[in-house]
Amino acid sequence: SQKIEQNSEALNIQEGKTATLTCNYTNYSPAYLQWYRQDPGRGPVFLLLIRENEKEKRKERLKVTFDTTLKQSLFHITASQPADSATYLCALDNDYKLSFGAGTTVTVRA
Amino acid sequence: DTAVSQTPKYLVTQMGNDKSIKCEQNLGHDTMYWYKQDSKKFLKIMFSYNNKELIINETVPNRFSPKSPDKAHLNLHINSLELGDSAVYFCASSQEPGSATSGRTDTQYFGPGTRLTVL
Repeated sequence: SQKIEQNSEALNIQEGKTATLTCNYTNYSPAYLQWYRQDPGRGPVFLLLIRENEKEKRKERLKVTFDTTLKQSLFHITASQPADSATYLCALDNDYKLSFGAGTTVTVRA
Repeated sequence: DTAVSQTPKYLVTQMGNDKSIKCEQNLGHDTMYWYKQDSKKFLKIMFSYNNKELIINETVPNRFSPKSPDKAHLNLHINSLELGDSAVYFCASSQEPGSATSGRTDTQYFGPGTRLTVL
């Protein structure tokens, strides 16, 4: 069966450190993968998209990698700040729709 | 300007009632979606419309009926509400549906959500 697994449910880190989130998938062949941020009581907000032929994508302090052999994407937040505290969702292209992971909640301590 | 808006934000109702949630997007997108996010925060697609035509209908009870009067609106009507329908419902839109073969991607813009509580 198809599965999308995001590492731990929660990740607590100190301000200034790098947060690394993982997204592993099984029985999908995504042409691209997206990462979204969701704050409590709000809808997800798009952050980054990476295609299967791209190894790495960056946007400001965010970096995403995509390894189709390992069937894994890594999402990094460098120089983390308390304002980065949120839930981060990965989403895979799946036949005209997106399939989402359950998310990892990141808490950045000042 | 709100890109994707939903009403109401909160909906509390009794089992067996019928209710509707409305969604509007002002982004000029062709594709709109309904998602359900349960208590475990798992976001699951229910329906998708492209240019007012239904293109995705996941395994959803037929008590749920979407309706798209035009490209900018996608409403969700739920009949005979059950306890298990309690969740947050999100509307979203994208420029077009994603397609691996064509290289199109479906970056989605979400509404603020409607928290439905069935008592």
